[in-house]
Parts: sequence; structure tokens; C-alpha cells
Amino acid sequence: DSGVTQTPKHLITATGQRVTLRCSPRSGDLSVYWYQQSLDQGLQFLIQYYNGEERAKGNILERFSAQQFPDLHSELNLSSLELGDSALYFCASSAYSGSANTEAFFGQGTRLTVV
Amino acid sequence: DAKTTQPNSMESNEEEPVHLPCNHSTISGTDYIHWYRQLPSQGPEYVIHGLTSNVNNRMASLAIAEDRKSSTLILHRATLRDAAVYYCILRRNTGNQFYFGTGTSLTVIP
Repeated sequence: DSGVTQTPKHLITATGQRVTLRCSPRSGDLSVYWYQQSLDQGLQFLIQYYNGEERAKGNILERFSAQQFPDLHSELNLSSLELGDSALYFCASSAYSGSANTEAFFGQGTRLTVV
Repeated sequence: DAKTTQPNSMESNEEEPVHLPCNHSTISGTDYIHWYRQLPSQGPEYVIHGLTSNVNNRMASLAIAEDRKSSTLILHRATLRDAAVYYCILRRNTGNQFYFGTGTSLTVIP
């Protein structure tokens, strides 16, 4: 158990809909990262938050947005869903944003299926 | 983000050592070398990381070349549970995002 909790584990929704994925980081971790993993793209970095503020953006679509709340949990919002958005979405957390000398811990992911 | 190059796949016999190579010729002085692995249907799992010196932990050893342009993850005795995709990642102090490559798919043969 990594200590990172993602909900829900599975989500099936229709095209055009909007969903929210939730991530609770490990206790004390201030950084949260979101990744998308599809069969043909591998693990793609989407966005990073640190203590409530956006720190970095990767290959995140404009239809997607995220935030990190004062209690440090994070949500990834996906809207106007398309079939190609079907993927595993992972959240990771790490202790400190200022140093790369820390490991990150990943959740078990949310499997999104768009039909 | 600095790139890493790994073989697409490797095989190992059970209970034998495995050496997983990674090339990172564009590494900068402040990049840490991280290794993660992903078992089927699970999230990535931290294995080990280092900066310049070789590192050991309960899971593996990390051997870093003197010029830091390559590294090797060493699993001392492969088990069936070590079958996974292993990712070598460079992580910078500025921002320290993780950018995953394609990794090495390790097959362990009983």
C-alpha cells in the first residue's frame, strides 16, 4: 500500500460527459502529480500541484483541469469526454517540491472507460 | 526534460541476477536518476534512486557510471514477482516532475 488513495477505481461514462477523479496523497506529502496511461501512449505527465498551487503542466488537454485543495487532496476534472480519453489515470505524491532527492508514491489508478 | 534510453524488453531466469541498463547521455549535474517499476494492472512503484554514488536498498542496487551518462539497475535474484516494466527516469530539482519513457519489460522465466 503506497498510501496514495484514488477514487473511484473504475468509471464508465458516455462521450460528452464530465467526470471527476479524486486523489488523496500520502500523509504529509505536499506535491501531487497526475498521469494518464493509455495503451498506445505510455505514462504521460499531465500536471503537478504543490501545496495548492499549480507547479507544472505537461500534456494536459484544455478539456482537462485539476486543483489541489487546502487539505491537499486533488481532483482531476475531465470534460467533453471522447473515446480517446479512455485510459488509466494515476495520481502520485511526494514529500517536497524543491528537491528531486525524494521518491514519489503512486496510487492504484482510476480506469476510465468512455463509451 | 532529459531523455533516457532503455531496451524494450529483457528476459531473466528465476533466481539469477538481472542487470537493467539505462543510457542518459544528456544528464545534467543536478539530475537524480530514479527507477520505478510497474507490475501488471498496478501503479508505478518506487525502486531506487541516486545522484552520483552507487546505491543499495532492500529491493535492488543502482550502479551509476562515473560520467553519469548511464546507469544499471541490479536485481540480485530475480523472482517471478519481479516481472514488470522498469522505468529509468531523470528528475531535476527544478520542478522535479517525472517523465516516463517506454521502459524495459522484464520477463522472468521459471
